Amino acid sequence: GNSVTQMEGPVTLSEEAFLTINCTYTATGYPSLFWYVQYPGEGLQLLLKATKADDKGSNKGFEATYRKETTSFHLEKGSVQVSDSAVYFCALRTQGGSEKLVFGKGTKLTVNP
Amino acid sequence: NAGVTQTPKFRILKIGQSMTLQCTQDMNHNYMYWYRQDPGMGLKLIYYSVGAGITDKGEVPNGYNVSRSTTEDFPLRLELAAPSQTSVYFCASTSRAVPGTNEKLFFGSGTQLSVL
Repeated sequence: GNSVTQMEGPVTLSEEAFLTINCTYTATGYPSLFWYVQYPGEGLQLLLKATKADDKGSNKGFEATYRKETTSFHLEKGSVQVSDSAVYFCALRTQGGSEKLVFGKGTKLTVNP
Repeated sequence: NAGVTQTPKFRILKIGQSMTLQCTQDMNHNYMYWYRQDPGMGLKLIYYSVGAGITDKGEVPNGYNVSRSTTEDFPLRLELAAPSQTSVYFCASTSRAVPGTNEKLFFGSGTQLSVL
């Protein structure tokens, strides 16, 4: 079946550190891939997405590249800020008109000043 | 623009009680979803709807019921609450007016439910 595996958290970094959150997936065909972010006390918000191999999604300084050869969609940011503290979810939607997103377990990021 | 609105934000139930979690959206989205979020477990899909009058089961539908009488509203019903239903519940919606496109999900702010 379709699944998403994220690196275990929590992740704690100092401000301006480099961030990587790993995400790998298992899916049939060519899924679309997403990163959602959940700030404390809020619902999830779309951070970025990529719909085909080698696409790079980017937003707010975050980037992720769709790597079909390694079935990965790792999230990166060069210099994190305290305001980036949140839970990050990797997700996929398969082709073929599927109406459902499959989410990873989430990775909690804490950035200290 | 209010987006997706969920009520209540918090609720404590006793075992065996029933309640309805309300969800409404004002974006004229045809697709709506209910997820539950358990600590360290990500989001699991409970039920979803592709339009008024149409609902379908997700991964974890047992113990829940839904209805979709209007485009705007998608309430989630718990008939006999159990401790295993203690979780944070999120409603979400999206527009899929063009098949094959990948519009983002819009989420409500969640309902934290405890069953004791």
